[in-house]
Amino acid sequence: GENVEQHPSTLSVQEGDSAVIKCTYSDSASNYFPWYKQELGKRPQLIIDIRSNVGEKKDQRIAVTLNKTAKHFSLHITETQPEDSAVYFCAASRNNDMRFGAGTRLTVKP
Amino acid sequence: EAGVVQSPRYKIIEKKQPVAFWCNPISGHNTLYWYRQNLGQGPELLIRYENEEAVDDSQLPKDRFSAERLKGVDSTLKIQPAELGDSAVYLCASSTRTGGSSSPLHFGNGTRLTVT
Repeated sequence: GENVEQHPSTLSVQEGDSAVIKCTYSDSASNYFPWYKQELGKRPQLIIDIRSNVGEKKDQRIAVTLNKTAKHFSLHITETQPEDSAVYFCAASRNNDMRFGAGTRLTVKP
Repeated sequence: EAGVVQSPRYKIIEKKQPVAFWCNPISGHNTLYWYRQNLGQGPELLIRYENEEAVDDSQLPKDRFSAERLKGVDSTLKIQPAELGDSAVYLCASSTRTGGSSSPLHFGNGTRLTVT
């Protein structure tokens, strides 16, 4: 089955800086790549997603890039704010079979 | 629309006792997932349903875990008997399915299980 690896496991940035989280996947047939944000004690919430027919997608301060050849995708957060502090999970899916990475704990220091 | 509803929110049991979790997905969502999330880790898939059919239960420890989704709507996940290592958050999620395309998952608040 699909195996998703995520790096780094923890990331600390200064407010206003950018943050980048990277993921790799093993199943070349995976075609849907969502990113979830999970605040402490809460449910994971979708923040952005990308499909395999697109190389990049942007939504305000958040962007995701996908390299199908290398089987990796990345989350980019610009102008980080303290409220961006949370755990972020990447996932890869084929036919609704969705597998998650181990997560990245992002801390934005004011 | 109402979100995915799970109950109970918290459960504390002694080892070797049985426990059950319940999930009501978003109306119209035909795909339902149970994930287990250990502290500091990502969700791990236990079982996935398409309507009432379990299409992937390869990671469900079948010696002690069971699940059902009667009528293709609500679902229950059961552990009997529970072990200390089962302490985790059990997340239910649902999504729609359009042909062969995947869709975003909508998660419930989870059930935090503590086995003592």
